[in-house]
Formats: sequence, structure tokens, C-alpha cells
Amino acid sequence: EIVLTQSPATLSLSPGERATLSCGASQSVSNNYLAWYQQKPGLAPRLLMYDASSRATGIPDRFSGSGSGTDFTLTISRLEPEDFAVYYCQQYARSPYTFGQGTKLEIK
Amino acid sequence: EVQLVESGGGLVQPGGSLRLSCAASGFTFSSYWMHWVRQAPGKGLVWVSRINSDGSSTSYADSVKGRFTISRDNAKDTLYLQMNSLRAEDTAVYYCTRDCTRGFDPWGQGTLVTVSS
Repeated sequence: EIVLTQSPATLSLSPGERATLSCGASQSVSNNYLAWYQQKPGLAPRLLMYDASSRATGIPDRFSGSGSGTDFTLTISRLEPEDFAVYYCQQYARSPYTFGQGTKLEIK
Repeated sequence: EVQLVESGGGLVQPGGSLRLSCAASGFTFSSYWMHWVRQAPGKGLVWVSRINSDGSSTSYADSVKGRFTISRDNAKDTLYLQMNSLRAEDTAVYYCTRDCTRGFDPWGQGTLVTVSS
């Protein structure tokens, strides 16, 4: 099983600032089959990024993803008020399709 | 509009059973693999099970293997999760989601399963 570890657990920033979220894998994620999801309270997760660096349909370009192998990053260039949420990384290279434990992005 | 709507959650005693359903619309259901993912109260996302497009292949998380069964009816555009021998630790919101080969999208609104006496 591929274990994903996200850091930090909580990130406190202000609107307009840049956010950098990390996701480390216990073994290499083949083909960079790594996704990022955003979840707001009481709502279902929403796909943001796939294949580590491709934006899903309708996702603003202030969101970007990077990385390969075992180290991945989600960057939000300039935080908008609606970006404050919990973010999860997930590998879909092989079963079980594991998720990281999440990073809570909160308003400072 | 692509949509997934779960139903069937509720309160069940430990050791009991429950069947969840997920009605799909707005896309060719029979062409996609589908998954169940759960989220315990205040916790993170945990993958539960997956089924391929024609239902001939399934896989499960170790925590539910032998107790849960995923299935689908492509004629009814519906995904199912039969949950037996339920435990307190199975308490969670259960989401169905479509496998788009590049991530899971979209997700249903979720259905809450509470296992308690």
C-alpha cells in the first residue's frame, strides 16, 4: 500500500498570499497518477488536479501542481476567500487508492 | 449534468446490514469504473471499494474485505454497496464517485451510515 503524508496539517494564511501544500509518498507513484481534491465543510470533495500537474475542468489557473515520483506539491498563487478548505492528495496508480490525511488551509 | 445521488444510509446496530445505492445520470454509466469512498466524522477520506465498468472485477480495502460487496446494475445506472457485519468503526459518510482514469470526478453528496446500539 502506498502511504501518502501531507504537510503541514494546518496552514494559516491571509487572502492574497501564496499557499504551498506538500504530499509525500512512501513509494514512487507510477506515471505520476496523483490527484488533489478540495473539500469544504459539509460538502463532497472536488477534483482540482490530476496527473500531478493537470487542472481539472473549471479549476482556476491560480491552482497549480508539480512533482514526480514521491514528492508532490499543490500551489495556490494568490489565495481567494473561497480557497480556505481542506485539501487531500490521492494516488490512483494502484489499489488501494490511498489518500493523504489532509491539509487544512485556514484564514489567518 | 453529470450527477451521482446516494441513498440508503441510516442507523444500524452493530452486526447489522445495510445496502447503499448510488443513482447515476448525465453520462454513460456503463463505460466507467466506479468507487465508494468513506469519511468518518471529522476525519479524512478513505477508499473503500472499486468495480470495473461491466462488474466483472472488484477490489476492496482490507478493512471491509469479506464484509462489504460492491455491485452495479448498468441497466438501471445504479451502483450498490452491500454492507454486512457492520462495526462502530464503519460509521461514516459514504460517497460514490466516478473513476475518470485521471482522478475521481464527480462525487455524490454522500449518505451517512451510523453503527450504534
